Amino acid sequence: GENVEQHPSTLSVQEGDSAVIKCTYSDSASNYFPWYKQELGKGPQLIIDIRSNVGEKKDQRIAVTLNKTAKHFSLHITETQPEDSAVYFCAPFLSGNTPLVFGKGTRLSVIA
Amino acid sequence: ETGVTQSPTHLIKTRGQQVTLRCSSQSGHNTVSWYQQALGQGPQFIFQYYREEENGRGNFPPRFSGLQFPNYSSELNVNALELDDSALYLCASSVRGVNTEAFFGQGTRLTVV
Repeated sequence: GENVEQHPSTLSVQEGDSAVIKCTYSDSASNYFPWYKQELGKGPQLIIDIRSNVGEKKDQRIAVTLNKTAKHFSLHITETQPEDSAVYFCAPFLSGNTPLVFGKGTRLSVIA
Repeated sequence: ETGVTQSPTHLIKTRGQQVTLRCSSQSGHNTVSWYQQALGQGPQFIFQYYREEENGRGNFPPRFSGLQFPNYSSELNVNALELDDSALYLCASSVRGVNTEAFFGQGTRLTVV
C-alpha cells in the first residue's frame, strides 16, 4: 500500500512570506496528486491537484510541483495571508477510484 | 461549498450503542467514500460505495458497515461503539471513471463516552 509522509508537521510564517510543504510517497504507480486544506470544524477542501504527466501547476498564489522520479510533490503558497492558516493534507493515489491515502497533515500558521 | 452534506454534525453516544451517519453526495456523483479522522491525524479510508455495493474497504472491522441508495446518498453504520471510535467521520463523493477529484462534506463529529 501507499505510504505517505508530509514535512514539516507544523509551519509558521509571517504574513506575506512563502510556505512550502513537501509530500513523499512510496507507490510509483500513483498518478494523481491532490492537496487538501482543512479549516477548523470543516471537511478537507481540494485546493490544487496535479497529474503525473505534468511537472508543475499554478493557480494564483498556490502551486504544486511534482518529481515522479524522486516520488515527492510539494505545495507552494506565496504571499501568505492569515486565511491561509489551516491544516494541509496531501493524498497521492492511483486514479480509478482507489481510495485517497492521506499524509498526517501540516499545520500552517500565518502570523499577521 | 462542495454540495456534499452530512448529518448530524455532532452526536454523543454511549459505548456499546449503535450509530448511523448520513451523507448526500454532490449532484451527479455516483461514488461515495467514508473516512475516519482521529484528532490530529489525516483521514483514514473506511470503505467506498458504487452502484449500491461496497467497492473497496480499509482496515476497519465488520462492525463498520454501510449502504448506498439509488439516489447515491449513503449511510455509515457502526455497531458496538468503542471509545476509540470517537472521531470526525467524513464522506466524499466523486464520479467513478470520469473525474478523480473527491469532494468532502463537513463531517460528523462522533463522541463515544
